[in-house]
Amino acid sequence: DSGVTQTPKHLITATGQRVTLRCSPRSGDLSVYWYQQSLDQGLQFLIQYYNGEERAKGNILERFSAQQFPDLHSELNLSSLELGDSALYFCASSSGTSGDNEQFFGPGTRLTVL
Amino acid sequence: AQSVTQLDSQVPVFEEAPVELRCNYSSSVSVYLFWYVQYPNQGLQLLLKYLSGSTLVESINGFEAEFNKSQTSFHLRKPSVHISDTAEYFCAVTPWGAGSYQLTFGKGTKLSVIP
Repeated sequence: DSGVTQTPKHLITATGQRVTLRCSPRSGDLSVYWYQQSLDQGLQFLIQYYNGEERAKGNILERFSAQQFPDLHSELNLSSLELGDSALYFCASSSGTSGDNEQFFGPGTRLTVL
Repeated sequence: AQSVTQLDSQVPVFEEAPVELRCNYSSSVSVYLFWYVQYPNQGLQLLLKYLSGSTLVESINGFEAEFNKSQTSFHLRKPSVHISDTAEYFCAVTPWGAGSYQLTFGKGTKLSVIP
């Protein structure tokens, strides 16, 4: 158990819908990262927050957004969903913003868009 | 920008045989290097990492990886695999001093240990 929790575990929805994925980092971790794992693209970085502020953006679509709240949990919002958004979405947390800080991964949320 | 290439998508190997999973990276800046393991239906777990110092790093479960700067490689090895090593292995890098330390992953190598 990494200490990072993600809800829900599974999500099945239809095209055009909007969903919210939730992540609670390890106690004391200030950085939260979101990654998408799909069969064709592999594991890709989406976005990072540090202590409530956006720190970096990766290959995140404009239909996707995220935020980190004062209690440090984070939410990833996916809207106007398309079939190609079906993937496993991971959240990771680390204690700081140094590259040698280990990132601890949650179990993921599997999103299926029908 | 960084990129990571894992040369083998699948590696079948017999139990107790040695294995090497290959990883090459490309980066214009110095990087930290990592190997993560993903067991079926689970998240990723850090297996080992190279930050600095000795180029040979070891994990607690018998894996080792060697950083080769001239060949920009970070291959993962184990002298004798067990059934429990069956999993997908991801090589990843993150740049030094960039202010953000998102991981860039390879496509992964599925290791199947055959009894």
